[in-house]
Amino acid sequence: DTGVSQDPRHKITKRGQNVTFRCDPISEHNRLYWYRQTLGQGPEFLTYFQNEAQLEKSRLLSDRFSAERPKGSFSTLEIQRTEQGDSAMYLCASSSRTGYVAFFGQGTRLTVV
Amino acid sequence: SQKIEQNSEALNIQEGKTATLTCNYTNYSPAYLQWYRQDPGRGPVFLLLIRENEKEKRKERLKVTFDTTLKQSLFHITASQPADSATYLCALAPNSGGSNYKLTFGKGTLLTVNP
Repeated sequence: DTGVSQDPRHKITKRGQNVTFRCDPISEHNRLYWYRQTLGQGPEFLTYFQNEAQLEKSRLLSDRFSAERPKGSFSTLEIQRTEQGDSAMYLCASSSRTGYVAFFGQGTRLTVV
Repeated sequence: SQKIEQNSEALNIQEGKTATLTCNYTNYSPAYLQWYRQDPGRGPVFLLLIRENEKEKRKERLKVTFDTTLKQSLFHITASQPADSATYLCALAPNSGGSNYKLTFGKGTLLTVNP
């Protein structure tokens, strides 16, 4: 395992459509995070999983967003009824139980047209 | 409200010189501070972590200082090379309860090293 993997790398969707992104963390990491990054800004925290439990959700995560990590391994982030304001880079990161360093994937670039 | 500021959006220096990037924060009590490098279209890559009770950390050509009185961190790249050109992000983790996993990032500084 060489790192955090995200799929797809790029997604173009029409406004109102639903999209789902996948993240495969580093295999021995039990902590998983989603961040969102828009142009010219740093990543913003969206949500955090410890194993399969979603322990924190940012208020940035509206009710159109849902994230899961069903077996404590890979995670999915779904956006329903996409809006143009959802256009951003969605970054997944993972860390070990005792580690503070977040290892990021390459991100999924979402464009809503 | 909590605020993290990186001194400039862009910094241009000549190859071989030392690049110094600044990260200032307000209304924040960090447990530790991290620096990441981000290349265009890619995710951030971890560089260095420094804890609140540490003053300085070094790794090869990189040096980070952390002054919790001034609420400031300085990030230095010595003997800079064109390959060091990238955006550098400062990130803080809170010193509160069990939330020290949650990183708050600055906007980043775009460093360009000219040959």
